[in-house]
Amino acid sequence: DIVMTQSPTSMSISVGDRVTMNCKASQNVGSNVDWYQQKTGQSPKLLIYKASNRYTGVPDRFTGSGSGTDFTFTISNMQAEDLAVYYCMQSNSYTFGAGTKLELK
Amino acid sequence: EVKLVESGGGLVQPGRSLKLSCAASGFSFNDYWMGWVRQAPGKGLEWIGEINQDSSTINYTPSLKDKFTISRDNAQNTLYLQMSKLGSEDTAIYYCAREVTTVVGYNPYWYFDFWGPGTMVTVSS
Repeated sequence: DIVMTQSPTSMSISVGDRVTMNCKASQNVGSNVDWYQQKTGQSPKLLIYKASNRYTGVPDRFTGSGSGTDFTFTISNMQAEDLAVYYCMQSNSYTFGAGTKLELK
Repeated sequence: EVKLVESGGGLVQPGRSLKLSCAASGFSFNDYWMGWVRQAPGKGLEWIGEINQDSSTINYTPSLKDKFTISRDNAQNTLYLQMSKLGSEDTAIYYCAREVTTVVGYNPYWYFDFWGPGTMVTVSS
């Protein structure tokens, strides 16, 4: 199984902050990583596919990068509505990271 | 409007079986791969499996392959998840999701673009 290790587990942030989180794959997954946002009580929503492609309608403050085993997800200007848990997922064999929870400072 | 609505969840005793449904509307169901993902309470996401348009290809995560069966009825626009030998570890919210194919750099790529709200399954005596 390909293990996706996400870090950090949680972050305390303020509105307007630049937020960066990471995902490390246990083996080379190419660019086959997606990023999902899950707000409390809701189902996940796709933000980024294939490492760096923003899904339709996703604000440009959300960006993804990386390839191989190391991937980064960034929110350039944190908004209150961005409070959520963010998951990476490798799409070679579909395993998710454990998530990064964003909380207000 | 794309809609996926799961149903069939509830309280079930250990060792029993349960069949979940996912009713699709607002898109041409028989044109898409579909998948199931679950989330234990307070935990992360776990991919269960996927099925292609004509049910000729069904893939499962290895640990669940002998317990869960995915199927679909294109005439009814419905996806199913048959679960057997349920244990407490199967307590979770079960989501169905639509898979979309796109082309990135001349190569096809699949991703889950739309998810249902989920149905809760609780395995307990």
